Amino acid sequence: KNEVEQSPQNLTAQEGEFITINCSYSVGISALHWLQQHPGGGIVSLFMLSSGKKKHGRLIATINIQEKHSSLHITASHPRDSAVYICAAHFGNEKLTFGTGTRLTIIP
Amino acid sequence: AAGVIQSPRHLIKEKRETATLKCYPIPRHDTVYWYQQGPGQDPQFLISFYEKMQSDKGSIPDRFSAQQFSDYHSELNMSSLELGDSALYFCASRYWAGNTEAFFGQGTRLTVV
Repeated sequence: KNEVEQSPQNLTAQEGEFITINCSYSVGISALHWLQQHPGGGIVSLFMLSSGKKKHGRLIATINIQEKHSSLHITASHPRDSAVYICAAHFGNEKLTFGTGTRLTIIP
Repeated sequence: AAGVIQSPRHLIKEKRETATLKCYPIPRHDTVYWYQQGPGQDPQFLISFYEKMQSDKGSIPDRFSAQQFSDYHSELNMSSLELGDSALYFCASRYWAGNTEAFFGQGTRLTVV
């Protein structure tokens, strides 16, 4: 069964802290997405990874294919980073399977 | 760059009415996925299309139907609406071959009253 698990489910941190959100998946994937969703808002794609590491501004995403694990890091976190972060995996060419999301709250 | 366009962005319907949601994929994307996300819930896969044919089906109620047209846009038709259908409906598009990135629309927020 294709499964995607995220941790933690909820994360509260002070402004400026380094944030890490983790994602594990059950079997081999063809690609993994990191998505951001603000309250009441649509979904924004942050990264798509099939190997290695990607960086965009204060956001960094890594994936370890052997360990079936990916992480999303936020450096110098800011209150505007408060959102739900979701990892979603493509198993082959199938539909995306979504993780349960991590609700991040950054306190000023 | 063009993104995935969904219309309308917001929709209010009464129970038992019909709604049609539209999704316009990235140019040259041949695959469209539809998802439903209830308040505070994870996205649930509804249905997908590849080259105008249904490619996969998830937890889509029989009251719902969808299709992909010759220009690759897709429409989700929802009949006999129920209060529980209130949700964010978003679509994603992708080019099937080549393991490319999926792009997401902003979603249509449907409220059934």
